[in-house]
Amino acid sequence: DTGVSQNPRHKITKRGQNVTFRCDPISEHNRLYWYRQTLGQGPEFLTYFQNEAQLEKSRLLSDRFSAERPKGSFSTLEIQRTEQGDSAMYLCASSLGSGGSNEKLFFGSGTQLSVL
Amino acid sequence: GQSLEQPSEVTAVEGAIVQINCTYQTSGFYGLSWYQQHDGGAPTFLSYNALDGLEETGRFSSFLSRSDSYGYLLLQELQMKDSASYFCAVRGAGTALIFGKGTTLSVSS
Repeated sequence: DTGVSQNPRHKITKRGQNVTFRCDPISEHNRLYWYRQTLGQGPEFLTYFQNEAQLEKSRLLSDRFSAERPKGSFSTLEIQRTEQGDSAMYLCASSLGSGGSNEKLFFGSGTQLSVL
Repeated sequence: GQSLEQPSEVTAVEGAIVQINCTYQTSGFYGLSWYQQHDGGAPTFLSYNALDGLEETGRFSSFLSRSDSYGYLLLQELQMKDSASYFCAVRGAGTALIFGKGTTLSVSS
């Protein structure tokens, strides 16, 4: 068990560019979540997958954001036409998704995005 | 929708006991969780309450009252390494975990 892995750790981009982040969850976990966190705030839910199916997406999530989990393993989060307000830590988490253990999310170290 | 309220900051000294409260509003309720996050680190799971009462795990305990939509995290025998942010989180009608804004705990010697 190598934990949840996220790449890259840091991304600096210019406004208007597209960026893509990758998340590799714990191998036996069927649920994968994306959250965004800014300084002094809690993780803000973005979207969630069960296996390859995207089951929930935050109403606050702009159309510029898209996520995929094509084979039910790793996931990518793409932000198109980045804006300065997109600057944040993007966190990925995974869980087993069965009964009470559904509540135990394992987080990766995140990708810190800075939009200049 | 869901909302959670918790104090923004708490300070305490080593060896003391501190309680971090959390009140929540949610449509449907499937449990209250607590996570710890050190500066620059990832959130890590501490505890989960689905039923009323107290759950104890070492120096940390978590309490839930469903009728009051209230819970708390109790940290005993505080150590410097407990300085971190603590988040309560609820899972409501959807299956996503929604987090509060967090409580920053500062432990001094």
